[in-house]
This record gives sequence, structure tokens and C-alpha cells, in this order.
Amino acid sequence: RKEVEQDPGPFNVPEGATVAFNCTYSNSASQSFFWYRQDCRKEPKLLMSVYSSGNEDGRFTAQLNRASQYISLLIRDSKLSDSATYLCVVNYRAQKLVFGQGTRLTINP
Amino acid sequence: ETGVTQSPTHLIKTRGQQVTLRCSSQSGHNTVSWYQQALGQGPQFIFQYYREEENGRGNFPPRFSGLQFPNYSSELNVNALELDDSALYLCASSPDMVVMTEAFFGQGTRLTVV
Repeated sequence: RKEVEQDPGPFNVPEGATVAFNCTYSNSASQSFFWYRQDCRKEPKLLMSVYSSGNEDGRFTAQLNRASQYISLLIRDSKLSDSATYLCVVNYRAQKLVFGQGTRLTINP
Repeated sequence: ETGVTQSPTHLIKTRGQQVTLRCSSQSGHNTVSWYQQALGQGPQFIFQYYREEENGRGNFPPRFSGLQFPNYSSELNVNALELDDSALYLCASSPDMVVMTEAFFGQGTRLTVV
């Protein structure tokens, strides 16, 4: 079983739609949780950290359920510029980040 | 930009050759990690260096080795290249070896092995 699992997609949604991504992780000792965004042929960039209390940044909302070992990302009112691959990332030892496979999102005009 | 720079940006090598990739970390960051990202996959952790010492290694064979220098820049060396080593190699720096808040990635080196 992979340490971090995501639906690879691709997701194709119209502009303005709401889209949700889910992710599960296997190591209950995980300490930090993130969503990274990666544009085609570019490096990953931090989109947001994820906390148990849930956190929101504009149109983006992230949730963490430690009991279920489940992380989610919700994008509201999607824009063309949101088209990218979204990577679920977990850290349980300071040494490394564990990435999911990534979910590819395309926003259509 | 992240302040993390990698060189070269692209590289083509022949199977069996050796390659060295370089990374300059962000100013003030003493921890550098290397990742391999195959096409269609998420990045996979290779190893991490903290203050010039290897501090954690992923599931990669010994022909993947590295160095960190006193200025915290780093090298990734791969010997006896195989076709499956073709990937994007990412370097990430972070301010200290603590529970991670964020890793700052360089733009990557795209290695093609033919």
C-alpha cells in the first residue's frame, strides 16, 4: 500500500465549478500535512498547509481528519489558472516529505 | 522565486555513464533534500543532508550518492545510469531539520538516459 494515496484523475471541470480532492495516508505518526501545486514541467510549490481545525485561503479550503487519516482540498469558483497537478504531501519525520501521485486538474472555459 | 537554484536544467546521458547534479540552497537554509520525480508520479525522496551529513535516505540504491558543502550547497551523483533513472530531479531546501513547515524547491534538472 502506498504511504499517500490520491485519485490521479484527470479531473476536467468547467470554469466556476467547485472541485474536491481527497487523499489518504497510512502512517498514523504523520505530523505535518500539505497541499502542493505543480504546473506542467515546473517544480512543486506550497499551496497551503493543512490543520485539524481546517483552514481556508480565499477559494481554497483544506481539511484534515486524523482519525480517518484523510486529507481534503476544496476549490470553489475555479479559475482557468487553477489548472495544475495537486499533490497531497505528508511529513512524519523531519527528514522527508512523502508525496502522493498527484491529481491533475484541468479547468475548461 | 524560491532562491533555490539547480544546474543543469536539462541533461542527456547514455546508459552506464555517471552524472552530477548541483543545487544551491536558499540563503540561511542548512538542510537540503533530493527527490526523483518520474513522469506521471509524485516526487520520491532520495536523501537529505543536514550540516554536511546524510540524514535520512529513501529506497534508492547506493549508486545514488550525495554531498553537502560548508556553504550548504549540494550535489547528487548517480553512477551506472539506467534507463529508469530518466526523471526530473528536484532539490529542496528548508531552514532547519525540524518538523517541516515548508520545503522550497528548485526548478529541477530533467535527466534523460538513452
